[in-house]
Amino acid sequence: GAVVSQHPSRVICKSGTSVKIECRSLDFQATTMFWYRQFPKQSLMLMATSNEGSKATYEQGVEKDKFLINHASLTLSTLTVTSAHPEDSSFYICSARDSRVNYGYTFGSGTRLTVV
Amino acid sequence: AQKITQTQPGMFVQEKEAVTLDCTYDTSDQSYGLFWYKQPSSGEMIFLIYQGSYDEQNATEGRYSLNFQKARKSANLVISASQLGDSAMYFCAMREVNSGYALNFGKGTSLLVTP
Repeated sequence: GAVVSQHPSRVICKSGTSVKIECRSLDFQATTMFWYRQFPKQSLMLMATSNEGSKATYEQGVEKDKFLINHASLTLSTLTVTSAHPEDSSFYICSARDSRVNYGYTFGSGTRLTVV
Repeated sequence: AQKITQTQPGMFVQEKEAVTLDCTYDTSDQSYGLFWYKQPSSGEMIFLIYQGSYDEQNATEGRYSLNFQKARKSANLVISASQLGDSAMYFCAMREVNSGYALNFGKGTSLLVTP
């Protein structure tokens, strides 16, 4: 089946530094990737939609200068959390869409970010 | 407005029994998709079942079935013969064309299967 690789799985960083999270579709081309954030015991909240070769579309309330998304190829999207603060600590998870299949959404395994 | 509503924050079921997890949705699209995912404590999102808005038959996948009531806008998940390994969070999600094909999730239901 379709596989999406997300790295790193866990990261601890100091306040004020930047962290990059990679999401890679291994066996299919994903024209669209989605980034979600999940706080403990809450649902997945859509942060942005990323289309290959174009600027990401951010959801209301998500700071595009803080959460930089790059989707440079059909298999790779990255999320960079810039100038991270403790309130950015969360579980970040990507999803890649295979448009050939109606239910073709594959999730990465997630990244647990802790900002100290 | 909440597009996906899951009214059961937590559910208990005894092993080998069946359980129904509720999900209602709100959309003005004619074409949409409904999904159920399982999220164990490890955090991964495991796809369980999909129902398209034009599908006339309820979707089934092994022990999972989706009770699709289009007029009532409900898409309940039925798990038959529950197993201890079914204990997890369960999320209902909807895909709409108008939302750029993103999946929007409900708040989830925590299911605990007891021996």
